[in-house]
Amino acid sequence: NAGVTQTPKFRVLKTGQSMTLLCAQDMNHEYMYWYRQDPGMGLRLIHYSVGEGTTAKGEVPDGYNVSRLKKQNFLLGLESAAPSQTSVYFCATDSSGGAGDEQFFGPGTRLTVL
Amino acid sequence: GQNIDQPTEMTATEGAIVQINCTYQTSGFNGLFWYQQHAGEAPTFLSYNVLDGLEEKGRFSSFLSRSKGYSYLLLKELQMKDSASYLCAVMDSNYQLIWGAGTKLIIKP
Repeated sequence: NAGVTQTPKFRVLKTGQSMTLLCAQDMNHEYMYWYRQDPGMGLRLIHYSVGEGTTAKGEVPDGYNVSRLKKQNFLLGLESAAPSQTSVYFCATDSSGGAGDEQFFGPGTRLTVL
Repeated sequence: GQNIDQPTEMTATEGAIVQINCTYQTSGFNGLFWYQQHAGEAPTFLSYNVLDGLEEKGRFSSFLSRSKGYSYLLLKELQMKDSASYLCAVMDSNYQLIWGAGTKLIIKP
C-alpha cells in the first residue's frame, strides 16, 4: 500500500500561472485535508473534505480551490499563483475526523512562485 | 484567538532525556497530539492525550494537564535519529487541529 501520495514533489511557477496539486490515498479514508507549512508557523489548514463530493474552507482558503470527485483523490488548485503562495503543501487523511483520529500525511509538494 | 506555544529550538546530548513543552489556548478541547517531523519529510504521529496524566510509549511519553492548558513530550535515551522537529497540535471544538510552529530538537554526540 502506498498510503498517501502527492504529485508533483517540486514545482516552480511564475506569478499568475496556474497549477493543480494531486493527493491520492489508498487507505479508504473519508476525511482529506490540504495544509501549507511555512517557516516559523504551524501547519495551516487550507481546505478539507469529509467525503466524496464534499469540500469545506479551512483557515486560509483564499487563492485556492479544491475538488473531491473520487473518494481517493483530493485536488488543490491555484488559479493565479502569487509569491505569497510559496510554501510546502501537505495533504493528510484520517478515517473519520473524530477525536483521537491520527492524520496520515503525504510527502509534501514544495512550491516556489517567482 | 487560538494559540499554541512551543520553544523554537532545543539542544540535548545523545543518551540524555529532554522535555519539550507545549501550552495552548483554544476554543474547546478534543485532545492533544504530538507529531515528529524530520527535515524535508512529512509529519508522523507520536501520541494522543485527551485525559490528564502521562501516556508512555517506549522511549517517548506525553503528559497533559487540561486545567493548565499544558502538555509535554518526554524523550528518553536520546538517539541521533531523534533529531527532528516535534509538533504539538490541539483538536478544537470543531474537531479541527490547531498546530504549533514546532520545536526543532538538535541532538549532539
